[in-house]
Amino acid sequence: NAGVMQNPRHLVRRRGQEARLRCSPMKGHSHVYWYRQLPEEGLKFMVYLQKENIIDESGMPKERFSAEFPKEGPSILRIQQVVRGDSAAYFCASSPRSSGANVLTFGAGSRLTVL
Amino acid sequence: AQTVTQSQPEMSVQEAETVTLSCTYDTSESDYYLFWYKQPPSRQMILVIRQEAYKQQNATENRFSVNFQKAAKSFSLKISDSQLGDAAMYFCAYRVNNNAGNMLTFGGGTRLMVKP
Repeated sequence: NAGVMQNPRHLVRRRGQEARLRCSPMKGHSHVYWYRQLPEEGLKFMVYLQKENIIDESGMPKERFSAEFPKEGPSILRIQQVVRGDSAAYFCASSPRSSGANVLTFGAGSRLTVL
Repeated sequence: AQTVTQSQPEMSVQEAETVTLSCTYDTSESDYYLFWYKQPPSRQMILVIRQEAYKQQNATENRFSVNFQKAAKSFSLKISDSQLGDAAMYFCAYRVNNNAGNMLTFGGGTRLMVKP
């Protein structure tokens, strides 16, 4: 029973390039969350998605960042025209429902380095 | 807005001793959950313990226990019989219990070092 799978684990991009991070939730989980962790800081919520729907994107930067969770395939976090400040670890988490006592299961994260 | 504060950037404990990590939070909600997550050097976020706000009894998981003081909005983590494998970043987190989703608010973390 695979957990939350994220890839790539490490991604290096030059300023101005695009970064795509992928997340496959745990089997049976239909709710996906993306978090960002800047160096020496805690995780910050970015976006919450269900299949084909963005439920809450209150933590997403207004520009250059987008996320999707299509009917088939993994959830994608896309960062266009990356800048050095985008260097961070990006974590995906999933849960079977939106509320109640269920706990988020985290992936191992994708570390983005912008040169 | 909810905030979570961890006032200890670093803590150190001798192997086999006990250490307590502090966490305070601010919320106007009455129904919520609190969590402690461990992040070892591998960066994997591992759930250590969870507390429901409506429960007065403090949660316990083996060597890990919490001291939940709802009125004071305090949620500390006690690690007994510390082991070398406990060395990691520890994050306190909060989530309101509603149907709006499982969004967690994290504190800034405490780095725990365990001395042999």
